[in-house]
Amino acid sequence: SAVISQKPSRDICQRGTSLTIQCQVDSQVTMMFWYRQQPGQSLTLIATANQGSEATYESGFVIDKFPISRPNLTFSTLTVSNMSPEDSSIYLCSTRLAGTDTQYFGPGTRLTVL
Amino acid sequence: GENVEQHPSTLSVQEGDSAVIKCTYSDSASNYFPWYKQELGKRPQLIIDIRSNVGEKKDQRIAVTLNKTAKHFSLHITETQPEDSAVYFCAASLGTDGLTFGKGTHLIIQP
Repeated sequence: SAVISQKPSRDICQRGTSLTIQCQVDSQVTMMFWYRQQPGQSLTLIATANQGSEATYESGFVIDKFPISRPNLTFSTLTVSNMSPEDSSIYLCSTRLAGTDTQYFGPGTRLTVL
Repeated sequence: GENVEQHPSTLSVQEGDSAVIKCTYSDSASNYFPWYKQELGKRPQLIIDIRSNVGEKKDQRIAVTLNKTAKHFSLHITETQPEDSAVYFCAASLGTDGLTFGKGTHLIIQP
């Protein structure tokens, strides 16, 4: 399995500000994914981040709001920009080990926007 | 894009009984169907998965069945125990794409 860590684990932010979430994997992986889990709800894919290329965003998510970086094969960041209370969610990164279908999830970042 | 429907939203069973959660998917090209268990405040954990070239898979008390024709797959938990209480999510994906999740089932095991 993959060991995935995220920073910060939680944060409380003011509306209008931005927060960058970091995701670190203990092995080199091609694809990393970012998901959002709103309170009491399911997971929704935000974007797929491949090293060396632009992230691919799902319908309803845009780069200006959720810019993603993928500087190397073990690390990615997601920024939540110009936050509003509706952005209060848990943000999870995920990855899939080479040659497998299984997606492993990081512990998540619990974001509260006031 | 893919759409995954999951039922029921809440399921309460007596300890020792079986639990069944059902999902349907819309994209016939989807070929990978995992099930995740999420306990309160924790990350989703894979409990079992199945690929489209397999009709059934079992791991101890947990089994998953897949009907490709009907675009339907189910999670079966036998001899339920209190520690099975959690939210369960089904999901579907195509190849190396990200996952599309169902809305989740809150499974309650009554002592």
